[in-house]
Formats: sequence, structure tokens, C-alpha cells
Amino acid sequence: GAVVSQHPSRVICKSGTSVKIECRSLDFQATTMFWYRQFPKKSLMLMATSNEGSKATYEQGVEKDKFLINHASLTLSTLTVTSAHPEDSSFYICSASRPMGTGVQGTEAFFGQGTRLTVV
Amino acid sequence: GDSVTQMEGPVTLSEEAFLTINCTYTATGYPSLFWYVQYPGEGLQLLLKATKADDKGSNKGFEATYRKETTSFHLEKGSVQVSDSAVYFCALRKAGNMLTFGGGTRLMVKP
Repeated sequence: GAVVSQHPSRVICKSGTSVKIECRSLDFQATTMFWYRQFPKKSLMLMATSNEGSKATYEQGVEKDKFLINHASLTLSTLTVTSAHPEDSSFYICSASRPMGTGVQGTEAFFGQGTRLTVV
Repeated sequence: GDSVTQMEGPVTLSEEAFLTINCTYTATGYPSLFWYVQYPGEGLQLLLKATKADDKGSNKGFEATYRKETTSFHLEKGSVQVSDSAVYFCALRKAGNMLTFGGGTRLMVKP
């Protein structure tokens, strides 16, 4: 099946530094990728929709300048947490949709393994 | 807007017990419905899905039926195993491929 690879799986960084998380679709082209954040014991919240070759679409309440998204190619999207603070510590997950047929019913979302970010 | 509500956990069961995790949704139009599973330390994996009313999704002994009249998509398994211990997410999707998730239900199966 299709694979989405997310890297790194775990990262610890100092407060004030920036961290980049990569999301790659390994065997298909993804014009759209999604970035989610999962708070402890809570559900995944969509942060932004990453569109290849154009600006990302951010959900309400998500700081664009803090969570920089770049979708430079059809197989790679990156999320950079800038000037990270302890409250940014979380589990970040990307997903990419692969066409499996026709229409929206014919696509399936594949998820990366997630990145556990800890800001100290 | 669209929303998904699922029962809060944790759900603790003994091995071979029957499992039901309730999921209801609110959405306009005709969403596709999904159950995802997240094992400890891993990302989400698609467990099963249903794309239209009365469809039944099934995988690994788990089943869920798309009930439009009750806007529900309850997850069931006849006999759970310790290896089923995970967090289960109900989700819906419409045009645009964006998924809307429920809050997740942690299942713990004891030997």
C-alpha cells in the first residue's frame, strides 16, 4: 500500500529554536497534504492544508508565522515550528491523500508515523 | 460545521469480550465515514471505512455500519485481543479530503 513517511519521529529542542518536520509520500504524488496536531488524550486537530506550489491554508487559531508549511514538490511537505516554546510540545501528524478511483470517494488518506516534539 | 462524537474512554475489557465503541456524526451532505486506529507510539492507520448509507466496513474482525437514519457508525468486534489495545478514532470526510475526527477512544484489553 501507499506509504507516507514522516521524519523525525521524535525531537527534543530548546526553547527558542526552530524545528523542521518532513512528510514524504513515498510511492505516489500528493498535491495536498494535511498537518494535524494531537494534544495529550485528545483528538487530532487539523492545523493546515498544504498545497503543492501554493500557500498553505491554515485553520482558525493556528499561527501562520509560527507554523511554517512548505510544499515544494508533489512528494514533500515540511512543517517548521519556529521559535518553539514548551506549549508547542505535542504530537504532529501529516497525511496525504492518494487517488484510489474517481471522485472524493475514490481517495484514501495515508498518515505518517507522527513526530513527538518536546520543547525544553 | 461538521463534527464527530465518540464515546470517551478508556474502555477496559477482558480478552475475548465484545467491543462496541459508539460514534455519531453531524454533517451536511453525504460524508464518507472511517475508523482509524493508533497503536502506541505510531501514527494513524485506516481500520475500515464506508462511503454510503447502509455500507458495512470490516477489517481484522472489526465492523461498522453506516447508519444515516441515526447518523451513526459504531465500531464492533465480537472478541477482542490484547493486541487490539490502542486508540480508535472515528472520522468523516467530505469533498476536499479533509478529515474531521472524533475525540478518540482508548481501548485497553487485559489478558
